[in-house]
Amino acid sequence: RKEVEQDPGPFNVPEGATVAFNCTYSNSASQSFFWYRQDCRKEPKLLMSVYSSGNEDGRFTAQLNRASQYISLLIRDSKLSDSATYLCVVNIKNSNSGYALNFGKGTSLLVTP
Amino acid sequence: GAVVSQHPSWVICKSGTSVKIECRSLDFQATTMFWYRQFPKQSLMLMATSNEGSKATYEQGVEKDKFLINHASLTLSTLTVTSAHPEDSSFYICFTRLTYNEQFFGPGTRLTVL
Repeated sequence: RKEVEQDPGPFNVPEGATVAFNCTYSNSASQSFFWYRQDCRKEPKLLMSVYSSGNEDGRFTAQLNRASQYISLLIRDSKLSDSATYLCVVNIKNSNSGYALNFGKGTSLLVTP
Repeated sequence: GAVVSQHPSWVICKSGTSVKIECRSLDFQATTMFWYRQFPKQSLMLMATSNEGSKATYEQGVEKDKFLINHASLTLSTLTVTSAHPEDSSFYICFTRLTYNEQFFGPGTRLTVL
């Protein structure tokens, strides 16, 4: 079983739509959680951290359920510029390197006019 | 602000040659640098972790003699792909962090081995 699993999509939505991405992780000892955004052929960029209490940043809302080992990202009022791949990322204690980021494969989003 | 630069951004080389990739932290000191690679439509996979002044630690399945990592200073970490082969063609990217939310990726190096 992969450490971090995401629905690869693609999700094709019209501008203004609300879209939700889900992610599950297998290691219950995972310490911290993030959503990253990756544009084609570019490096990932941190979108937001994810907390158990849930957190919101403008049109983006992230939720963490530690009991279910489940993370979500909700994007409201989608913009064309939101088109990208969204990576679910979990910080896991690694016997070799201390804590390291483990990435899901990403969920592809295409927002259309 | 804090930035990580990575050079080269892309490289095409013949099979059997070695390629060096450099990551520099600008305006801050990076004690630890993580090296990832990403194959097309795959997730970023951690290859190794380098700590300034000590030997790098490699993830299972990553050959340390093939992927040489040097972190000789607090602002420079290098990854050398030795005797590169076509299966080494990938997107290589370095990563470091200052704090929980201050995380920095280099812009990545796209390696194509012919």
